[in-house]
Amino acid sequence: QKEVEQDPGPLSVPEGAIVSLNCTYSNSAFQYFMWYRQYSRKGPELLMYTYSSGNKEDGRFTAQVDKSSKYISLFIRDSQPSDSATYLCAMAEAGANSKLTFGKGITLSVRP
Amino acid sequence: EAGVAQSPRYKIIEKRQSVAFWCNPISGHATLYWYQQILGQGPKLLIQFQNNGVVDDSQLPKDRFSAERLKGVDSTLKIQPAKLEDSAVYLCASSQGVLNYGYTFGSGTRLTVV
Repeated sequence: QKEVEQDPGPLSVPEGAIVSLNCTYSNSAFQYFMWYRQYSRKGPELLMYTYSSGNKEDGRFTAQVDKSSKYISLFIRDSQPSDSATYLCAMAEAGANSKLTFGKGITLSVRP
Repeated sequence: EAGVAQSPRYKIIEKRQSVAFWCNPISGHATLYWYQQILGQGPKLLIQFQNNGVVDDSQLPKDRFSAERLKGVDSTLKIQPAKLEDSAVYLCASSQGVLNYGYTFGSGTRLTVV
């Protein structure tokens, strides 16, 4: 079993839809949870960052972490064509030498 | 603030040849990372530097890959000899400290080994 599993894609939705992206993980030591967005031929950029369990909202984006279920989600409200990209979940343990472990990514296409 | 600079953007080489990638992190960022992203997969950490010291190189294929970060600033990643399975995007990222998870990634170098 991989440490981080991400829902397979691709995903295509109409403009204005609510999008739900999900990841599960097996390492109970993960404390930091992130979502990165990667446009074609670009590097990933940090979208959302959460420590431990709970929700975090930033504009149209909401990140949820459920450590008891080892499950994280990213919700995108009122999706726009500019949201079309690959979304990667990433996680890390606490500690000085910790590193980010990424999911495979899911490609989202928002149709006008 | 200038971003993470990487060069070249693209490289095509034959198997068994050597290749080098260069990265210039954001000024003042102590931690530098090299990730390998194979098509359809998430980035995988190859090596992590804190200033000019190696923090983690456990997933670096040391028989063919090497990396250095002279003077704690720029870094180079080298592959010698290259294999077909090394075809990937090589991403460099930097952050202000080991515990700061706001990595900033460069646009990457797309390597094709034929």
